[in-house]
Amino acid sequence: EIVLTQSPGTLSLSPGERATLSCRASQSVSSSYLAWYQQKPGQAPRLLIYGASSRATAIPDRFSGSGSGTDFTLTISRLEPEDFAVYYCHLESTFGGGTKVEIK
Amino acid sequence: EVQLVESGGGLVKPGGSLRLSCAASGFTFSSYSMNWVRQAPGKGLEWVSSISGSSSYIYYADSVKGRFTISRDNAKTSLYLQMNSLRAEDTAVYYCARARNDYYGSGHSVWGQGTLVTVSS
Repeated sequence: EIVLTQSPGTLSLSPGERATLSCRASQSVSSSYLAWYQQKPGQAPRLLIYGASSRATAIPDRFSGSGSGTDFTLTISRLEPEDFAVYYCHLESTFGGGTKVEIK
Repeated sequence: EVQLVESGGGLVKPGGSLRLSCAASGFTFSSYSMNWVRQAPGKGLEWVSSISGSSSYIYYADSVKGRFTISRDNAKTSLYLQMNSLRAEDTAVYYCARARNDYYGSGHSVWGQGTLVTVSS
C-alpha cells in the first residue's frame, strides 16, 4: 500500500510570501493520479490540482503543482488571505496527512 | 448547477447500522465514478469506498471492508453507503465526492457538504 507523507505539518507564513508544500510517496507512482486539495474549517475539500500539475476549474494561477516519481510539490506563489487553510495530496485510495498553512 | 447533497447521518450505537445517501444533480451521473471520503473530528481525510459509473468496479478501504457496502442508482442519480457493525472509530463527517471522470483515482472535483455519523453508546 502506498503511503503519502506531507511536509511540513504546519507552515507559518505571511500574506504575499511563497508557500512550498511537499508530498512524498513511499514508492514511485504515476503522476497522472496525483491531486491536491484545499480545505478550510467547516468546509468540504476543494480540488486544486490534478494529474500533478493541471489546475482544476477556476483555480487561480498562483497555485501550481509539479513533481514525478515519489516527490510532488504544491506551490502558492504569493499567499492571499483566503489561502490560509489545510492542504492535502491524494493518490487514488490514499490521502496525505495534510499541511496546515497558517498566518505568521 | 453541479451539486451533491448527502443525508442519513446521525447518532448510532456501536454495532448498529446506518445508510447514507447522496443525491446528485447537474451532471450525467452515470458517466462518473463516485466516492465516499470521511474525516474524523480534527483529523485528516480518509478514502472509504469508490464505485464506477456502471457499478462494474467497486473498491473499499481495508478499515471498512466487509462492513460497508457502496451502491448507486443511476436512474435516481443517487449514491449510497450501507454501514453495518459500526464502531466508535467510524465516527466522522462522510463526504460524497464525484471523480473527474469514470476512474475513481482521477481526482475528486465535486464534493457534497458532508453528513456527520456519530457512533456512541
